[in-house]
Amino acid sequence: IAGITQAPTSQILAAGRRMTLRCTQDMRHNAMYWYRQDLGLGLRLIHYSNTAGTTGKGEVPDGYSVSRANTDDFPLTLASAVPSQTSVYFCASKPSGPGELFFGEGSRLTVL
Amino acid sequence: GIQVEQSPPDLILQEGANSTLRCNFSDSVNNLQWFHQNPWGQLINLFYIPSGTKQNGRLSATTVATERYSLLYISSSQTTDSGVYFCAVERSNDMRFGAGTRLTVKP
Repeated sequence: IAGITQAPTSQILAAGRRMTLRCTQDMRHNAMYWYRQDLGLGLRLIHYSNTAGTTGKGEVPDGYSVSRANTDDFPLTLASAVPSQTSVYFCASKPSGPGELFFGEGSRLTVL
Repeated sequence: GIQVEQSPPDLILQEGANSTLRCNFSDSVNNLQWFHQNPWGQLINLFYIPSGTKQNGRLSATTVATERYSLLYISSSQTTDSGVYFCAVERSNDMRFGAGTRLTVKP
């Protein structure tokens, strides 16, 4: 089934550890996004990529990095996790230009 | 970046009632979507509607791009409509979300 796959589904992490959230899509979408969702704050954009090889910063990029080596994969890395990064993380993708945005199932991350 | 405001923040309805959710945005956009987040956290596309009006069953949406707002109409609401409704807009290569409207439909 075509779509977006995120891994892990859930993770508990000690503060200071490095963590990479994986995102893979098989729809050949050029644009990909990472959002975090916190209670009462909706979804906030962390980083995005308009095409392979390019990335951009969103609203809340600090403490996160991304890479886009190919069209399908868009991993999000927390170099040194802090408790304020406890959140649900959603990966999304869409075609270039105007078009529908599709979401993965989310990754719940708890940093202790 | 572009600002997106949704209203009301919370809405409680009796089953069978109708409702209108509003999304205002601060600048011109080239993409607007409505999403429903169900109680399990899944984000479901409802409408891709940068302009005009669309209908899908009991739901319909209208975007007036020149006046920078969009409306989502829910008619004959059902308990399964409960959840959070988000509006998202795109300008300059990123998509920004409003804070959402939390809808509770009581039986």
